[in-house]
Amino acid sequence: EAGVTQFPSHSVIEKGQTVTLRCDPISGHDNLYWYRRVMGKEIKFLLHFVKESKQDESGMPNNRFLAERTGGTYSTLKVQPAELEDSGVYFCASSELRVNTEAFFGQGTRLTVV
Amino acid sequence: AQKVTQAQTEISVVEKEDVTLDCVYETRDTTYYLFWYKQPPSGELVFLIRRNSFDEQNEISGRYSWNFQKSTSSFNFTITASQVVDSAVYFCALSEARNYGQNFVFGPGTRLSVLP
Repeated sequence: EAGVTQFPSHSVIEKGQTVTLRCDPISGHDNLYWYRRVMGKEIKFLLHFVKESKQDESGMPNNRFLAERTGGTYSTLKVQPAELEDSGVYFCASSELRVNTEAFFGQGTRLTVV
Repeated sequence: AQKVTQAQTEISVVEKEDVTLDCVYETRDTTYYLFWYKQPPSGELVFLIRRNSFDEQNEISGRYSWNFQKSTSSFNFTITASQVVDSAVYFCALSEARNYGQNFVFGPGTRLSVLP
């Protein structure tokens, strides 16, 4: 069974450009989460989808970040325009729709804004 | 507010030594879950263990063991007879119980280097 997959694994873009990250969760997982780790700091929660609905987006840093999960399958996270402080590793995780369940993480996308 | 502290930023040990990674958490919830994840050089976060707040029984899995002490709000992780393959960043995480899955609060991570 495939795990959580993220594309691309690395992305280097210039300040002001747009980047779109993609996450394919494990099939059947209705919960999908985005997290990011900036400059070796804590891994911070960004948002949580339940199917196609945003359950909690309290961690989104600002309106330059837009997450979607059309159809409740894969999700995209767009950063537009990217700033230097957006550099970091973006993780996606998915889990089944029940309490006390394990969340599976992808390998992350390393974003570098220069 | 929830918070997870991992006071050890980096630890280096020689192979076959035992090593304990500390984790202290803060939460006002009476029901919560604690986790440990491993991040090897390849980058992904690998699940190691989940413990709920009502289960203070310590757990052992091979060379890994976990000590959950609710009285001190700690959930420490010990690797016995460490190996080079244990080198990674280890994250402790906390989540509250919700109806629809979990929202993790992670600690800053401890980078473990096991030297041959």
